[in-house]
Amino acid sequence: AQSVAQPEDQVNVAEGNPLTVKCTYSVSGNPYLFWYVQYPNRGLQFLLKYITGDNLVKGSYGFEAEFNKSQTSFHLKKPSALVSDSALYFCAVREGNNAGNMLTFGGGTRLMVKP
Amino acid sequence: SAVISQKPSRDICQRGTSLTIQCQVDSQVTMMFWYRQQPGQSLTLIATANQGSEATYESGFVIDKFPISRPNLTFSTLTVSNMSPEDSSIYLCSAGTQGQPQHFGDGTRLSIL
Repeated sequence: AQSVAQPEDQVNVAEGNPLTVKCTYSVSGNPYLFWYVQYPNRGLQFLLKYITGDNLVKGSYGFEAEFNKSQTSFHLKKPSALVSDSALYFCAVREGNNAGNMLTFGGGTRLMVKP
Repeated sequence: SAVISQKPSRDICQRGTSLTIQCQVDSQVTMMFWYRQQPGQSLTLIATANQGSEATYESGFVIDKFPISRPNLTFSTLTVSNMSPEDSSIYLCSAGTQGQPQHFGDGTRLSIL
């Protein structure tokens, strides 16, 4: 079985400061990892993915994530937070790159960026 | 990336009635999925909508309660049957193609009175 843990329900940062949203995963095969963001009254928007290759993945809106196999982590980062980054963030894992394989989501982390 | 449209965006329904949610994708996709989400909570997969065959349901979800159709590679419907207040939730459609991430519609916000 595969699982995702997002240990923080909420992360608070000041605008302009770096942010990190944590994610750890468990999967029996090769992990395919994703970050999504959800704004109020909207669906999930894809931010970035790790399939293979460089451990540092760059995505939309200046976000990046670092894949760490030994720690089974895929933390989301941004060097300088914006107030508009305030939203709900979900980490997800899928075993393999088969579109039919189930995507498992973490519980979500609410990011609050204060001016 | 695929653009996914869901209708209705929200509805308020009487208990005991049924509502059908439509999901339209602007391109052909391999897989379509239906999720349920309580506001501010994580997503729970209801079922995978299979084109031309019966949907594959996850544990805790049954066809009689959540019948799903997928007549072609761009369209699917989810019906929430015999609704009760416990069915009040956000229902999300998503679609994916081999090698690509899943993309999501904006969801249907359903309230049952």
